[in-house]
Amino acid sequence: GQQLNQSPQSMFIQEGEDVSMNCTSSSIFNTWLWYKQDPGEGPVLLIALYKAGELTSNGRLTAQFGITRKDSFLNISASIPSDVGIYFCAGLGGFKTIFGAGTRLFVKA
Amino acid sequence: DGGITQSPKYLFRKEGQNVTLSCEQNLNHDAMYWYRQDPGQGLRLIYYSQIVNDFQKGDIAEGYSVSREKKESFPLTVTSAQKNPTAFYLCASSISSGARGYTFGSGTRLTVV
Repeated sequence: GQQLNQSPQSMFIQEGEDVSMNCTSSSIFNTWLWYKQDPGEGPVLLIALYKAGELTSNGRLTAQFGITRKDSFLNISASIPSDVGIYFCAGLGGFKTIFGAGTRLFVKA
Repeated sequence: DGGITQSPKYLFRKEGQNVTLSCEQNLNHDAMYWYRQDPGQGLRLIYYSQIVNDFQKGDIAEGYSVSREKKESFPLTVTSAQKNPTAFYLCASSISSGARGYTFGSGTRLTVV
């Protein structure tokens, strides 16, 4: 079945650093989505990408839809303590949405 | 304001008991979903429903049951057949295709004691 490989699994960074994470798959997706989950809460949609090569920003967050349609990247610039959480990528092919296993981000003030 | 509400936030259950988790949305979304999240793990799909009175099994449906009698509501029953039910359960909804993303509830943490 379709699977997403999300990396890194976890990251420990200093406040102010930039962060990069990515998702790859052997399958092609028509839509890539990035979510953030705060501890004890449900994930919240951050960015949605709909075209290969698309680069979209949301404040300090920037995400890209890979040219091959098999990968996506999320960058966070100048991290702050409230960036702590789990970041999930998700690929949509047809009706079904596939989630990555998440990247756990820890930010030290 | 539109949203999706899960209740209760915390639930304790004795072994051998069935328990039902509530999920209600007022977003007029056609599709609803249930996911299970274990500590340090990702999201695993239990059941989903694209339309009222219809639902499909996800990847880990064994030991769970659902109903979709109303568009707004998609309750999940964790039965005694579920061998390891302690987990964080997330309900979500979307427009039919999911292409605009999911709206998630705030989750129910179920603990079997």
